Amino acid sequence: GAGVSQSPSNKVTEKGKDVELRCDPISGHTALYWYRQSLGQGLEFLIYFQGNSAPDKSGLPSDRFSAERTGGSVSTLTIQRTQQEDSAVYLCASSLEGRIYEQFFGPGTRLTVL
Amino acid sequence: TQLLEQSPQFLSIQEGENLTVYCNSSSVFSSLQWYRQEPGEGPVLLVTVVTGGEVKKLKRLTFQFGDARKDSSLHITAAQPGDTGLYLCAGDNFGNEKLTFGTGTRLTIIP
Repeated sequence: GAGVSQSPSNKVTEKGKDVELRCDPISGHTALYWYRQSLGQGLEFLIYFQGNSAPDKSGLPSDRFSAERTGGSVSTLTIQRTQQEDSAVYLCASSLEGRIYEQFFGPGTRLTVL
Repeated sequence: TQLLEQSPQFLSIQEGENLTVYCNSSSVFSSLQWYRQEPGEGPVLLVTVVTGGEVKKLKRLTFQFGDARKDSSLHITAAQPGDTGLYLCAGDNFGNEKLTFGTGTRLTIIP
């Protein structure tokens, strides 16, 4: 596609349920990043993929969070046993290899945990 | 932990006025980026500055990277309503494949 796409655009779930968020990066972009943004503030880094590997998982807030990437393309961020503090906008970005300074962002998934 | 502090946090000015937004850190960055984000969308890259003291201009926007590569500023001349949005600075650190984002400045231009 022409840009980074994310689905769903909005997700409302009940506390304790699992959710999966999907990211389709720009074709040819080998690097993929997940961020979390609360209340229109700055972005919190979650995880980075180079190809299908995640060399840096240091940003994942807890072991309830996991992510995978398959075929060097689509990535899924999974949150298990969601908590109210997980409510935020989850943003995905992609870039060419080594061009961390030139990331292209998707529109985000707004997650609300009731 | 690297931090990027932006100021002001909120800014509301009349159309036609000039403004400056600041991005400061105690850490050195290899490059620094500025993004603009509108409601319901992801951030959009405006510029990357890589050399200490560098100045880049994009129409009415002027970006400067501090000599010590620890800070940056964004100056907007003759602000227009279309400039409204959340402005974010972000820095990368010499091969560490992770951007550090600033706290954000929410800018509102009043027609």
